[in-house]
Parts: sequence; C-alpha cells; structure tokens
Amino acid sequence: GAVVSQHPSRVICKSGTSVKIECRSLDFQATTMFWYRQFPKQSLMLMATSNEGSKATYEQGVEKDKFLINHASLTLSTLTVTSAHPEDSSFYICSARDPTTGPYEQYFGPGTRLTVT
Amino acid sequence: AQKVTQAQTEISVVEKEDVTLDCVYETRDTTYYLFWYKQPPSGELVFLIRRNSFDEQNEISGRYSWNFQKSTSSFNFTITASQVVDSAVYFCALSEAASRGGADGLTFGKGTHLIIQP
Repeated sequence: GAVVSQHPSRVICKSGTSVKIECRSLDFQATTMFWYRQFPKQSLMLMATSNEGSKATYEQGVEKDKFLINHASLTLSTLTVTSAHPEDSSFYICSARDPTTGPYEQYFGPGTRLTVT
Repeated sequence: AQKVTQAQTEISVVEKEDVTLDCVYETRDTTYYLFWYKQPPSGELVFLIRRNSFDEQNEISGRYSWNFQKSTSSFNFTITASQVVDSAVYFCALSEAASRGGADGLTFGKGTHLIIQP
C-alpha cells in the first residue's frame, strides 16, 4: 500500500513553455501533498505544501505565480511550471501524507526530471 | 527555524567496513520527527527509518543501526559490513509538528554520498 506515482517521469520542454507534473496517491486519500525540488548533486528543498481544496502554501523564495499547484482531489495534485526557463531544470519530487497511517507519514513519488532547453 | 546538518559530503570505504553517517539537527519544537532516506542513482527516495522526538531508543535493522541522542541533537546512521549495493546518497531529514495538526514538510540535510568500493 501507500504508493505515490508521478507523471511524467521525464520531460524536456522549450524555454517559455509551461509543463504540468502530476502526483497521484494510488491507494489512499492524501489530504496533504508536498512538492520538493532537487538540483543536481544537491539536497531536496520543500517548495510548497498542498492541502486538498485549499490554496497551496509556498516556502519563502518560491514564486507562486511560476509554480502553480492545484490539489483538486484527494488523490491528485499538480505542479505547473509556467514559462519555464533553463534554470528551472531540476528533479521534482512529490510526497503525499496518508492521515490514516499517522501524522508524520509521507510517501514519496519517484520524481520527475525536467529539462528546459 | 529547523536545520539539518550532514557534515560529511562524501565517504568512501572498502566493502565490509563499517561506516557511520552523521546527522545533527536544530529545532525549537519539542515534537518532531527524524528520518533517513537513501537515494540511489535512479533518484527515487527509499525510506529507511523514522523516529519521533519522544522515542530515544536506538534501533537496529539488519546491517543498519541508528543512534538518536537528544542531548547532542544527533541522529547518526551506521552501516555494518558495508556492501557495494549500499552505495548511494543518504539524506537525514526533520519534520516538525504542524500547527494545524499532522507534520510539516521535511527539511533535508545536504546528503552524504557513500561510496562502497569492492
């Protein structure tokens, strides 16, 4: 149980275009999902916390107009990188919290590697 | 604000040696959770352990063991008789209790790249 998927696993887009990344909890309902970003050979940084049915909470320094997060259902959160630029190239990982297994349990997706050319 | 420090950027040992990865954390909360994750080259995070701030018992799982000491704010990870398959980047992470309930997102350390040579 507690499987989180991400789609796509890898995407290449041209500078100036937008790209959407999906995060799904496959076998549980996730009231909260988190989005992280990892630059090459660096650590993971929390970008935002997404609660179902409400606006996402962004970490300091993360542009909310550039990284649009939608958590429209209990099993799906999406991250849209708008007007992507090469510096947005990164590994994006989501995690989902299953409230039935404890307040601290987070299950990570496999990640999406974004390359902006 | 919380912080996780993994001072060892890279460790290289020969197979079968024991190796300890250090993790020091900072938090003002009394309720928090500590984690270790393994990240192989594929990028997917592999969960290893979770500890809450009220449970200072050390834990052993096969060749892995963890030493949690609140007095020094440390949560170190030891691999005994290391194997080549243990080669990966290991992250220590911290999560504080959220004001609205549950736990906040994770704050990760910078990671330790562990290389096990055959």
